[in-house]
Amino acid sequence: GDSVTQMEGPVTLSEEAFLTINCTYTATGYPSLFWYVQYPGEGLQLLLKATKADDKGSNKGFEATYRKETTSFHLEKGSVQVSDSAVYFCALSPFGGYNKLIFGAGTRLAVHP
Amino acid sequence: EAGVVQSPRYKIIEKKQPVAFWCNPISGHNTLYWYRQNLGQGPELLIRYENEEAVDDSQLPKDRFSAERLKGVDSTLKIQPAELGDSAVYLCASSLGWQGASEAFFGQGTRLTVV
Repeated sequence: GDSVTQMEGPVTLSEEAFLTINCTYTATGYPSLFWYVQYPGEGLQLLLKATKADDKGSNKGFEATYRKETTSFHLEKGSVQVSDSAVYFCALSPFGGYNKLIFGAGTRLAVHP
Repeated sequence: EAGVVQSPRYKIIEKKQPVAFWCNPISGHNTLYWYRQNLGQGPELLIRYENEEAVDDSQLPKDRFSAERLKGVDSTLKIQPAELGDSAVYLCASSLGWQGASEAFFGQGTRLTVV
């Protein structure tokens, strides 16, 4: 079945460092891809999304590009801040299954001053 | 506008006891989801409601779990009896049905510990 694999954490960075969190997926057809973020004490929030191959989703300085050839959707940010410390989840919505989300295990990011 | 409200935030119970979680979705959201998030894992869907109808409950362990959404607004998820393996965070989310699961707003969750 469809699944999402993301790099294990925690990822620990200094402020202003470059961030990459890897995400790969297995799915039939053309799923939609998402990154969610969970800040401490808060609910999951949609961070960005891409609905077709080569689309780039972006928000709050974060970017991810839908790569069909490598079945990947890696999250990147050029300069992280302490306030970016959170757990990041990669997820997919199966083709034709817009009311279903399949999540990866999550990657915890800790940014130090 | 208030977001998705869940209660309680934390619950500790002994195994074999019953437990219930409550969710109040965002006003006007006709689609409601219950997810379970095990430690170190991503959320997994338990059940999805469209108004008061459960349209996807294939992942709900029906021998001990039950859910209801009376009048298509608030929802309750119940476990009876609880087992040690039920320790997890239970998340509720809601959305306007036509927007899909990705546009759902999540509550803060209820952390259940079964001892």
